[in-house]
Amino acid sequence: AQSVTQLGSHVSVSEGALVLLRCNYSSSVPPYLFWYVQYPNQGLQLLLKYTTGATLVKGINGFEAEFKKSETSFHLTKPSAHMSDAAEYFCAVIPYNQGGKLIFGQGTELSVKP
Amino acid sequence: DGGITQSPKYLFRKEGQNVTLSCEQNLNHDAMYWYRQDPGQGLRLIYYSQIVNDFQKGDIAEGYSVSREKKESFPLTVTSAQKNPTAFYLCASSPISGASYEQYFGPGTRLTVT
Repeated sequence: AQSVTQLGSHVSVSEGALVLLRCNYSSSVPPYLFWYVQYPNQGLQLLLKYTTGATLVKGINGFEAEFKKSETSFHLTKPSAHMSDAAEYFCAVIPYNQGGKLIFGQGTELSVKP
Repeated sequence: DGGITQSPKYLFRKEGQNVTLSCEQNLNHDAMYWYRQDPGQGLRLIYYSQIVNDFQKGDIAEGYSVSREKKESFPLTVTSAQKNPTAFYLCASSPISGASYEQYFGPGTRLTVT
């Protein structure tokens, strides 16, 4: 069965430092890939998505992610962290030809230190 | 404004009582989903529906029931059979055609059962 692994349940960075949140999926056929952000006691908001085409995807709030088929990865990055980036981040996939059902990773809580 | 509404934001119930969580969308999406979120466990799919009057069990359907009588509404009932109902519940919707199947989330309902 398809699975999604997010390395590190907690990541802490200093304000202005690079943010790197890791996501790997298990599939021989590239799925649709998503990153969502969740602020405390709120729903999930889509940051970015990869379906087809360009492998470097830009999203909201300065985040981007690169799809690497050979590494089955979709890591999320942001060059310079801001205090407002502190939240929980979820990587998710929709397996190819299984329309609709999202499979989520366990989530990574990002802390940003002043 | 288009979106998904969930009500209420906070819900308290005594053990042994059934409780129904509301989810409404005005995005004209065909598919709707219910997820349960517990600390450190990510999101787990309870039920989903891709068309009116039809729905399928997700990974943790035991102790829950749903209905889909209207395209815009997908209420979730947490029954007394659910052994550990206290959790944060998220509703989502998505199109089922097109390229991305991107899911849009509501703000969530936090259910506490004592």
